[in-house]
Amino acid sequence: GDSVTQMEGPVTLSEEAFLTINCTYTATGYPSLFWYVQYPGEGLQLLLKATKADDKGSNKGFEATYRKETTSFHLEKGSVQVSDSAVYFCALIKRSNYQLIWGAGTKLIIKP
Amino acid sequence: EAGVAQSPRYKIIEKRQSVAFWCNPISGHATLYWYQQILGQGPKLLIQFQNNGVVDDSQLPKDRFSAERLKGVDSTLKIQPAKLEDSAVYLCASSPQRDTGELFFGEGSRLTVL
Repeated sequence: GDSVTQMEGPVTLSEEAFLTINCTYTATGYPSLFWYVQYPGEGLQLLLKATKADDKGSNKGFEATYRKETTSFHLEKGSVQVSDSAVYFCALIKRSNYQLIWGAGTKLIIKP
Repeated sequence: EAGVAQSPRYKIIEKRQSVAFWCNPISGHATLYWYQQILGQGPKLLIQFQNNGVVDDSQLPKDRFSAERLKGVDSTLKIQPAKLEDSAVYLCASSPQRDTGELFFGEGSRLTVL
């Protein structure tokens, strides 16, 4: 069945470091892909999305490119800030019933 | 625009007791979701409504969980009787269209079952 695998956390970085959070997926067809973020004490919110191969989603300095050949959607940011500390979830939407399939989440900790 | 409202934010009960969670989605959003999120895991869909009809409740433990969305607006999720393994955050989300994957979440209701 469809699934999403994320790198385990926590990921701990210093401020201004380069960030990569890996996400790979298994799916039938070509689903849309998402990154959601959950800041401490807040609800999940959509960070970015990509709907087809080679699309790049971007928001708040974060980027992710839909790679069909490697079935990946890695999240990157060139210079992280303390305020980026959160839990990041990769997800895909099943075309058959429009259900979101979620990864387990990756906790990111940024130290000043 | 007001976001998704949930209450209560926190609830502590003993096993075998009952609990109810309330959700008011964003105005005009036809699709409403209830998710269960256990610490360290991704959200698990419990039930999805389209207006006031159930689209998917395949993962809802129907012997103890129930949900309704009267008049296609706000919704209530009930657990009766609660078990220890029900300790989790219950997330409500809404979406204007169910095929976009773009969900708007509330802050969640954290349940602790003792």
